[in-house]
Amino acid sequence: AQSVSQHNHHVILSEAASLELGCNYSYGGTVNLFWYVQYPGQHLQLLLKYFSGDPLVKGIKGFEAEFIKSKFSFNLRKPSVQWSDTAEYFCAVHNAGNMLTFGGGTRLMVKP
Amino acid sequence: GAVVSQHPSRVICKSGTSVKIECRSLDFQATTMFWYRQFPKQSLMLMATSNEGSKATYEQGVEKDKFLINHASLTLSTLTVTSAHPEDSSFYICSARVAGVYEQFFGPGTRLTVL
Repeated sequence: AQSVSQHNHHVILSEAASLELGCNYSYGGTVNLFWYVQYPGQHLQLLLKYFSGDPLVKGIKGFEAEFIKSKFSFNLRKPSVQWSDTAEYFCAVHNAGNMLTFGGGTRLMVKP
Repeated sequence: GAVVSQHPSRVICKSGTSVKIECRSLDFQATTMFWYRQFPKQSLMLMATSNEGSKATYEQGVEKDKFLINHASLTLSTLTVTSAHPEDSSFYICSARVAGVYEQFFGPGTRLTVL
């Protein structure tokens, strides 16, 4: 069965620090990859997605992610976080079986 | 575009009652809708997938007789939690997508509390 792992459950950073959240998946076939963000009290919003092409994907709010096929990874990065980035981040993988599988989520707290 | 709404946003009910949650795609026709459950501090777990006009497909471990899903139109799916119990208290989230498009658009969720 497909699984998605997010290594960091909780991350605490100071403003302006760089961010990298890990995401690995276990599916050998073609996948589509997503990062979603859930701000406190709000619904899931799409940050970025990878379907094909350039493995370095740029999303909203200065986020980017790199798809490394050989490592089955799709890590999320931001060079300089802001207090407003405090949220929970979910990696998700969509496979040919038509199923979207979410990772366990990473809670990011950015201290002002 | 691609807005999905859910109603109600919060519901509190007594044990043994049934609760219906609506999921609507406001500006597009959703051929497929998904229902997820999110327990506190946990990730989203897919409960079922419903295609308009056909029976829902439930994930392993999800009781179809307890969680009734109806997808009667291209813009509306409903989840009915029958004979709710306190352990059914959770955050229920729906999503919707268009045929041939992988991206799902998520609703704001419904927080169910069963007393």
